[in-house]
Amino acid sequence: GNSVTQMEGPVTLSEEAFLTINCTYTATGYPSLFWYVQYPGEGLQLLLKATKADDKGSNKGFEATYRKETTSFHLEKGSVQVSDSAVYFCALNAGNNRKLIWGLGTSLAVNP
Amino acid sequence: KAGVTQTPRYLIKTRGQQVTLSCSPISGHRSVSWYQQTPGQGLQFLFEYFSETQRNKGNFPGRFSGRQFSNSRSEMNVSTLELGDSALYLCASSPGTSGYTGELFFGEGSRLTVL
Repeated sequence: GNSVTQMEGPVTLSEEAFLTINCTYTATGYPSLFWYVQYPGEGLQLLLKATKADDKGSNKGFEATYRKETTSFHLEKGSVQVSDSAVYFCALNAGNNRKLIWGLGTSLAVNP
Repeated sequence: KAGVTQTPRYLIKTRGQQVTLSCSPISGHRSVSWYQQTPGQGLQFLFEYFSETQRNKGNFPGRFSGRQFSNSRSEMNVSTLELGDSALYLCASSPGTSGYTGELFFGEGSRLTVL
């Protein structure tokens, strides 16, 4: 079946450090891929997405590239800020169903 | 524009009881989805409602049910509560009127503790 695997957290970085959160997936066909973010005390919100191979999603300085050959969608940011502290979720949608399959989430803490 | 509102935010029940959770979607959104979030399983899809009809359903037992009203507000009910039902229940809304985009707008969730 379809599944998403994320690197386990928590991840702790200093401000301005480079961030990578790994996400790999298993899916039939050509899924759409998503990164959602949950800031403390808030609901999840869409950060970026990619719908086909080699697409790059980007938003708020974050980027992720849909790599079909490695079935990956790693999240990266060149210089993190304290305000990026949150839980990040990778997700996919595959087939004709209307639901997302989620990774377990990766907690990020950025220290000043 | 007001976001997705879920009530109650926190509740404690005992085994065997039932619970009803409420979700008010963003104005104009007609699709409401429900997810269960637990540390070990992550987010698991429960069901989706659109225009008062269940459009999609996850792999949960029949104790979990939902409905949607004509104003798009949705409720979910869990009967005969079990300890394993302790979780954060998330509601998400979307316009729902075109092809599935995967862009969902989430509420802050209702945290259920079953004792």
